[in-house]
Amino acid sequence: DTEVTQTPKHLVMGMTNKKSLKCEQHMGHRAMYWYKQKAKKPPELMFVYSYEKLSINESVPSRFSPECPNSSLLNLHLHALQPEDSALYLCASSPLTSGGNQETQYFGPGTRLLVL
Amino acid sequence: AQTVTQSQPEMSVQEAETVTLSCTYDTSESNYYLFWYKQPPSRQMILVIRQEAYKQQNATENRFSVNFQKAAKSFSLKISDSQLGDTAMYFCASNTGFQKLVFGTGTRLLVSP
Repeated sequence: DTEVTQTPKHLVMGMTNKKSLKCEQHMGHRAMYWYKQKAKKPPELMFVYSYEKLSINESVPSRFSPECPNSSLLNLHLHALQPEDSALYLCASSPLTSGGNQETQYFGPGTRLLVL
Repeated sequence: AQTVTQSQPEMSVQEAETVTLSCTYDTSESNYYLFWYKQPPSRQMILVIRQEAYKQQNATENRFSVNFQKAAKSFSLKISDSQLGDTAMYFCASNTGFQKLVFGTGTRLLVSP
């Protein structure tokens, strides 16, 4: 089973709202990732959690706040977003059993976010 | 810096035909994985196939196979017996450093009846 689930599928929010995206995997993976993807572009890495600790932050604005409550769950808290933050947000996970450049990432279906 | 290049922005093929998508990459790593991901209109990113760089044998998954030329840093994807469901954006990617995937810009494949 290589399933990563994400909720909600779609989200519309105003610039003053606070919302959260949720990602879950039950494959026993110990690394989880957040990506942002604009239309017709490849995904851009935002954050990486390894063993529930933030290991990579790709200089993402503080209006995006990640959280990893346990090894199966990953959240992305959103606050005071801008219209240019509208995008597909993808979650991924990987086993973290091999060397870093031999990891295979498995993606969830994504959350389509629209900021008005 | 690690780079992945896909030089074909769009390709089209008819059902049942074979199509090859090109990818070149640059890395200083000695051991790494290469991937092809498929993103259909639903936008779920699906792993199609992966290649371990230290393995000389080309990876195969049903109708999908790769031509991995390590010296030339080339990693093409061949889709045999194309089906309508293969219509998607295809991204080539490599692992670089620790846990970071570098993606190419993608090739949009249209399979027509």
